[in-house]
Amino acid sequence: AQSVTQLDSQVPVFEEAPVELRCNYSSSVSVYLFWYVQYPNQGLQLLLKYLSGSTLVKGINGFEAEFNKSQTSFHLRKPSVHISDTAEYFCAVSEYDAGNMLTFGGGTRLMVKP
Amino acid sequence: DAEITQSPRHKITETGRQVTLACHQTWNHNNMFWYRQDLGHGLRLIHYSYGVHDTNKGEVSDGYSVSRSNTEDLPLTLESAASSQTSVYFCASSEGRRGGTDTQYFGPGTRLTVL
Repeated sequence: AQSVTQLDSQVPVFEEAPVELRCNYSSSVSVYLFWYVQYPNQGLQLLLKYLSGSTLVKGINGFEAEFNKSQTSFHLRKPSVHISDTAEYFCAVSEYDAGNMLTFGGGTRLMVKP
Repeated sequence: DAEITQSPRHKITETGRQVTLACHQTWNHNNMFWYRQDLGHGLRLIHYSYGVHDTNKGEVSDGYSVSRSNTEDLPLTLESAASSQTSVYFCASSEGRRGGTDTQYFGPGTRLTVL
């Protein structure tokens, strides 16, 4: 079975600073990787996903993530954050050809300060 | 516009009562999922369905049941509510292509408190 670890439960950062949210996974088979964002009192929405091909994936709102197979990581980055990026971010994996079930990490709360 | 809705948005109930949470999607998606969200645990899968009359248990299915009688709805029933089931519940749906590549679309959530 697969598992997902988000190493930081909270990340405080000042506005316009860069940020990296870390995600590591374990799985015995090939996986697809996702980042979802949850704004306060809302459901989750997709930021980006890695299916195959280029290991650098660009998503909405200026976020990008890089898949590193050797380190089993899928870290999320943004070069300059805004107050509106304050939210909870979830990394998730889905195993290849195993239906559409997602396994989520515990989440990272990004707090952008003025 | 297509959407996924959940009702009620907030529910307070007592231990031992049966509770049903509704989930309705107008995407015409084959797949539907129920998750619970608890601090530090992220989202954990309760039950899921890949089509009408199909249901499957997820990681934390004890004490919950679902049924899928049409494409649009997947109600979640707590047979006898327990305080440990106090949580925020999210419903999601996805198109239903093979291989796990689908994006899941989430509802706004239901906050359930069991006293």
